[in-house]
Amino acid sequence: AQSVTQPDIHITVSEGASLELRCNYSYGATPYLFWYVQSPGQGLQLLLKYFSGDTLVQGIKGFEAEFKRSQSSFNLRKPSVHWSDAAEYFCAVGASTPLVFGKGTRLSVIA
Amino acid sequence: EAGVAQSPRYKIIEKRQSVAFWCNPISGHATLYWYQQILGQGPKLLIQFQNNGVVDDSQLPKDRFSAERLKGVDSTLKIQPAKLEDSAVYLCASSLPPRGSFNTEAFFGQGTRLTVV
Repeated sequence: AQSVTQPDIHITVSEGASLELRCNYSYGATPYLFWYVQSPGQGLQLLLKYFSGDTLVQGIKGFEAEFKRSQSSFNLRKPSVHWSDAAEYFCAVGASTPLVFGKGTRLSVIA
Repeated sequence: EAGVAQSPRYKIIEKRQSVAFWCNPISGHATLYWYQQILGQGPKLLIQFQNNGVVDDSQLPKDRFSAERLKGVDSTLKIQPAKLEDSAVYLCASSLPPRGSFNTEAFFGQGTRLTVV
């Protein structure tokens, strides 16, 4: 069965510092991988997605993610975090099936 | 392009009452999903429609939840009777691909926050 694990429930970073959010997946076929962001009281907004090809994908708001098949991972990175990045981040996997989401990582940004 | 519209945004009901949520997907999107997001967790799929037919409702608690998508456009999700554990955000999403195709991207509405007291 497909599943997504986000090991970090809550991460706090200083504004301007780099960020990496971890995501590990289990999927029986070639996965499609997604990162979504959710601000309080809002729906989910797609940051980036991976289907095939270059394993380093660029997204909106300066985010990128790297697909590593050997590690079943799809970690999200940003070189310099802004206070407005504080939100909940969800990794998801799916291809011909509906998306399965991880439990999310809450990002707090301090001055 | 208009996004996925949901209403109401917030709803408070007493247990054993009924409630309904409405979703209008992005125009032309064949696939519609209802997800339940309990506080502190990721969204969990309740039901998937392809046009006006149900593709997957394996995780829908059918003794109390029902959903329909008339004419393959708008959808409603109903809970009757509600339980305390139904308190959650109910997210509607839509995507373009028809059945048998691969997910490209699901677009989400802002959700309906349900509180059952």
